[in-house]
Amino acid sequence: DGGITQSPKYLFRKEGQNVTLSCEQNLNHDAMYWYRQDPGQGLRLIYYSQIVNDFQKGDIAEGYSVSREKKESFPLTVTSAQKNPTAFYLCASLRDPTEAFFGQGTRLTVV
Amino acid sequence: RKEVEQDPGPFNVPEGATVAFNCTYSNSASQSFFWYRQDCRKEPKLLMSVYSSGNEDGRFTAQLNRASQYISLLIRDSKLSDSATYLCVVTGGDNNRKLIWGLGTSLAVNP
Repeated sequence: DGGITQSPKYLFRKEGQNVTLSCEQNLNHDAMYWYRQDPGQGLRLIYYSQIVNDFQKGDIAEGYSVSREKKESFPLTVTSAQKNPTAFYLCASLRDPTEAFFGQGTRLTVV
Repeated sequence: RKEVEQDPGPFNVPEGATVAFNCTYSNSASQSFFWYRQDCRKEPKLLMSVYSSGNEDGRFTAQLNRASQYISLLIRDSKLSDSATYLCVVTGGDNNRKLIWGLGTSLAVNP
């Protein structure tokens, strides 16, 4: 079945540590997105990529980095520069023109 | 003014009731509109796209008013399983490929 797979589902990070969240899709979509959702709040765009080897900052990119070496994969690294990383992270891909499909999300907690 | 605004609720309604949500958007150039449903601690899932002519899917009806820049969602004969947060999404940005999310409206259907 086609879809988006995020892993891990739960992730714990120590202060000062970098962690990488995985996002893989087999939908053959060009555009992929990373969002962050905090409790009681909406989705905020971190980074997006319209095509392989290209990506742009979203509204809250500071403290995050991404890569897009393959069409299927769009990993997100939460760096130690991100001061408040505890959140629910959602990866999405876009079926033209604009229908978004989401992975099941990764809950990141700083311990 | 926020780009997409929704009444956060919560809306508490009895089973069988009809409930309506509105969403206003600020960018008159937005071209695509959607309603997503998000269950607690889960990823958003597409409920329905919203077309200029209005569209219906079973108990759900979505309408778009471009002149007043709002979209609506009507749920008839509410079920317990309709309890969720409903997210309004419009497109914007370059080439209208950026998804702009509302904060969501919380619905609780009670027995």
